[in-house]
Amino acid sequence: DAKTTQPTSMDCAEGRAANLPCNHSTISGNEYVYWYRQIHSQGPQYIIHGLKNNETNEMASLIITEDRKSSTLILPHATLRDTAVYYCIVRVVYNQGGKLIFGQGTELSVKP
Amino acid sequence: SQTIHQWPATLVQPVGSPLSLECTVEGTSNPNLYWYRQAAGRGLQLLFYSVGIGQISSEVPQNLSASRPQDRQFILSSKKLLLSDSGFYLCAWSAGQGAQTQYFGPGTRLLVL
Repeated sequence: DAKTTQPTSMDCAEGRAANLPCNHSTISGNEYVYWYRQIHSQGPQYIIHGLKNNETNEMASLIITEDRKSSTLILPHATLRDTAVYYCIVRVVYNQGGKLIFGQGTELSVKP
Repeated sequence: SQTIHQWPATLVQPVGSPLSLECTVEGTSNPNLYWYRQAAGRGLQLLFYSVGIGQISSEVPQNLSASRPQDRQFILSSKKLLLSDSGFYLCAWSAGQGAQTQYFGPGTRLLVL
């Protein structure tokens, strides 16, 4: 699975959009971009994933560049409860038993 | 909808004692099941995964073992705990077919003293 690079930490004001970047310049054609988050002392929570098209769900939007070498997770209206470590992972889908490789992630602090 | 349970939530055990952590999934059949460990300040390490009853694959050699006695039950065990076994143990599941999005349980925090 390809390696990802994320900023160590970011701040965001409550109610504003949080834009979390991720670089994955060595991504392969069959690898998807996944985002998870982990709130302190809880299990990781799946947020969204995509291949090349932008994706949106009830939690967030995922914007993937045309060359697929980077992506941005957007939380449109951040709340205090969105404070967490956000992990960007690239992996092959349809791979039973495939492990998720979590890097250090981005620690997002949403401030009032 | 699918839910995943883990217990206990926290555990303090002496070195050399046995361990049994349980994970169960509801609302799905024939899931793939995973055990991860997260040491303090570090990323997740995959320990075991299972694609069916009695089928266990180990990712790294260690002091732990896993079993899957029922379709939706996954157990992590040790005969004698080491100090280095302390950590946050997470169980996850993914659908048996199709995209392999993994969904995590609430975790068990283990402290070995």
